[in-house]
Amino acid sequence: EIVLTQSPATLSLSPGERATLSCRASQSVSSYLAWYQQKPGQAPRLLIYDASNRATGIPARFSGSGSGTDFTLTISSLEPEDFAVYYCQQRSNWPPTVTFGQGTRLEIK
Amino acid sequence: EVQLVQSGAEVKKPGESLKISCKGSGYSFTSYWIGWVRQMPGKGLEWMGIIYPGDSDTRYSPSFQGQVTISADKSISTAYLQWSSLKASDTAMYYCARLLGMDFDYWGQGTLVTVSS
Repeated sequence: EIVLTQSPATLSLSPGERATLSCRASQSVSSYLAWYQQKPGQAPRLLIYDASNRATGIPARFSGSGSGTDFTLTISSLEPEDFAVYYCQQRSNWPPTVTFGQGTRLEIK
Repeated sequence: EVQLVQSGAEVKKPGESLKISCKGSGYSFTSYWIGWVRQMPGKGLEWMGIIYPGDSDTRYSPSFQGQVTISADKSISTAYLQWSSLKASDTAMYYCARLLGMDFDYWGQGTLVTVSS
């Protein structure tokens, strides 16, 4: 079973700063990695799919990179609405599983 | 517009049974897998299982196999998650989501299940 490890657990930054979030897989997931944002009281929202493709309606300040086992979500200049919890996720066809990382909380400094 | 609308919050006692639902609209319900995700209070996302409504092919996370049952009724575009005997540890928010390729592109609003004596 593939394990996804996110770092850091908590990231404290100010609006306007650049955020870099990491997700490491225990074995290669090729480019099949997604990122989600979850705000309090809301369902998760898909931000990035296939490691680097922005989902519909996602602002250009969000970008994803990486392949294999190491992935990064970058927010180029933080807006107040970006402070939330971020999860990475992968899916395997065999065995048919879905795995989420444990999340990174992005908080206002 | 793609929508997944989940049933309302539930308060149950330990040992009771429960079935919650997720109704899809705005797309071909039988052509996409639907997944269920658990989020315990203050915790992260846990994948429970997925179902393909077209033929009811179902896959479970090993952590939830035997603990819950996932089903679907394609005639009414609805997926279900059910328990036969709830425990206090089943208290959580449960989300359904549409699986597009390798990721979940649309999510339901969540169903809060509270199990307490």
